[in-house]
Order: sequence, then structure tokens, then C-alpha cells
Amino acid sequence: SQQGEEDPQALSIQEGENATMNCSYKTSINNLQWYRQNSGRGLVHLILIRSNEREKHSGRLRVTLDTSKKSSSLLITASRAADTASYFCATDVNDYKLSFGAGTTVTVRA
Amino acid sequence: ETGVTQTPRHLVMGMTNKKSLKCEQHLGHNAMYWYKQSAKKPLELMFVYSLEERVENNSVPSRFSPECPNSSHLFLHLHTLQPEDSALYLCASSQEWGTQYFGPGTRLTVL
Repeated sequence: SQQGEEDPQALSIQEGENATMNCSYKTSINNLQWYRQNSGRGLVHLILIRSNEREKHSGRLRVTLDTSKKSSSLLITASRAADTASYFCATDVNDYKLSFGAGTTVTVRA
Repeated sequence: ETGVTQTPRHLVMGMTNKKSLKCEQHLGHNAMYWYKQSAKKPLELMFVYSLEERVENNSVPSRFSPECPNSSHLFLHLHTLQPEDSALYLCASSQEWGTQYFGPGTRLTVL
């Protein structure tokens, strides 16, 4: 069953603005990952945050994790047209099984 | 994106056809996965192989038959599919149970 759920389902922003999306999950996790998918292509791993971490940065990406609220957020700063994609959070169900949400579709307008 | 390759990239088949999807990983990983992605639905894990042994068969219909001849190659054999099987099929690999790296996918259309 689906563990993570992203919010909002879709987001449209102007180039240069920040984009924030959230992920909520139901059961305890060891780690949470964010992936990006360009239209009709494979998923690209962006960042992994462990359950004992609260915040992590990678370039223009900032991920937070609040295990007490069972939620995570992904912030993309200074967005570019190339950031247009769907973004998915994935939580570990067991050692090898990830549970993906339905994703947030981000459109960056020039 | 050349770490995990998938062929073909697009496939159209009739319900009585037999076809196979191929996945190859060049990352030296020892685990491989098949996922199904349907429109507006979360990714569904279908099969997992670790060291060429199947460790997960996620209630997938028998018309989908996986094969993992070695740690670099994974196949998905398809026969007598249904139109609702039309989807993007994604292959992924990982080293043990680490970060999964995905291929570009095969867009399958069943007529």
C-alpha cells in the first residue's frame, strides 16, 4: 500500500521562485528519499535523509524531515525551467522495498 | 542515465503477442527491480532480484514472467497481456539495498 503522499499534486511557479512540496507518511522509517522524473523517463535520485537527520542540503535542494509529524519537505530554490518535472518521495518499507507517493508535478514558467 | 539501460524504449503489442523487456545495469550492483508506473498512480514494485535470486513477487499476474540470468541483466517476459497493462515499465538497480538507480523505462501499449 502507498506509504508516502505528496502535497500539492501540482505546482506552477515563475523561474527564479522557490518551490516547496511536502510528503507525509504513515509508519516509522529508517530513511526517506526524494526522486525527480522528467516526463516519461526514469527516476533520478536527488537526496536521501535518514531518520536521525532533520535537514539536508544538496545544491539548490533542501530537504527537511520531521519524524514526530511523519512528514518531509523538499525545497527547490531559485527554480529553473530544467526543474520542470515530477517529484516523488519514497520511504523504506523494508530493506529493499520503497513505497512511492503519487508525486508532485512542478512546472517552472519562463 | 547510461548506468541502467532499457530496451526497447517503446513497445506496442497485441493481446496475443509475446515480447520481452530487457534491462542492463553497468554499475556493478547486485540487486535489480522491475516497477510499473501507470498514469496518475504511484510506482508499483513488481519484482526484486538479489544476487540473481528473486526475493519479491508482489502479487504480479503470471502473464508477467521475470528472468535474471546474471547480476547485470534483467528481463521481463510478457504474454497475453491486457490493455490495462499499458504503462511505463521501469527497471532499477542498487548495491545491496542502497539507493536505487533507474533506467529510462519502456513505454508499453497493449492494443
